[in-house]
Amino acid sequence: EPEVTQTPSHQVTQMGQEVILRCVPISNHLYFYWYRQILGQKVEFLVSFYNNEISEKSEIFDDQFSVERPDGSNFTLKIRSTKLEDSAMYFCASHRSPTYEQYFGPGTRLTVT
Amino acid sequence: AQSVTQLGSHVSVSEGALVLLRCNYSSSVPPYLFWYVQYPNQGLQLLLKYTSAATLVKGINGFEAEFKKSETSFHLTKPSAHMSDAAEYFCAVSDRSSNTGKLIFGQGTTLQVKP
Repeated sequence: EPEVTQTPSHQVTQMGQEVILRCVPISNHLYFYWYRQILGQKVEFLVSFYNNEISEKSEIFDDQFSVERPDGSNFTLKIRSTKLEDSAMYFCASHRSPTYEQYFGPGTRLTVT
Repeated sequence: AQSVTQLGSHVSVSEGALVLLRCNYSSSVPPYLFWYVQYPNQGLQLLLKYTSAATLVKGINGFEAEFKKSETSFHLTKPSAHMSDAAEYFCAVSDRSSNTGKLIFGQGTTLQVKP
């Protein structure tokens, strides 16, 4: 069964460093998302991506964040200068269209020290 | 703006007992509704979804949920809890008029199943 994959599973970085979180969505999906979950809190929407451009972003997704689909398979989230408060689990998700359920990856746990 | 409220951050039931996890939503138009489950150290797995067909939706692992428009609710139930049901459960809503499909999640409910 197809699945969304994410790498790395755990990333530790120092404050101020750049990180890139990688995702491989399911191959025939067209809509891509990043969510984050701070420990003990709810899952929050960050950004949606369709047709090679951002379709919607949340207030959390400021200028420090960017997304890219560099080729036909990968979908990346970049944080330019990490802050302590960026420590969270980051989930990638994808689906064929908004009428279908989103499939989530296993997440990347980002720890900023 | 859409929102989701899950009543009860922690629910504890005995094995074999009824599971009831509550979810209420706020939306200007009838939304799509979802329940996801998260096992420790894992991602989110879809349990079931409501997208405007039958109001009683059956999902995996014996779970079901009923969409009640008058009560703006989408409570999750299971007749008999198993130890393996212990996990975090999230209710989520998506605006069907939106072309982005983003999900808005509730705070989550931790289900504990006692032997």
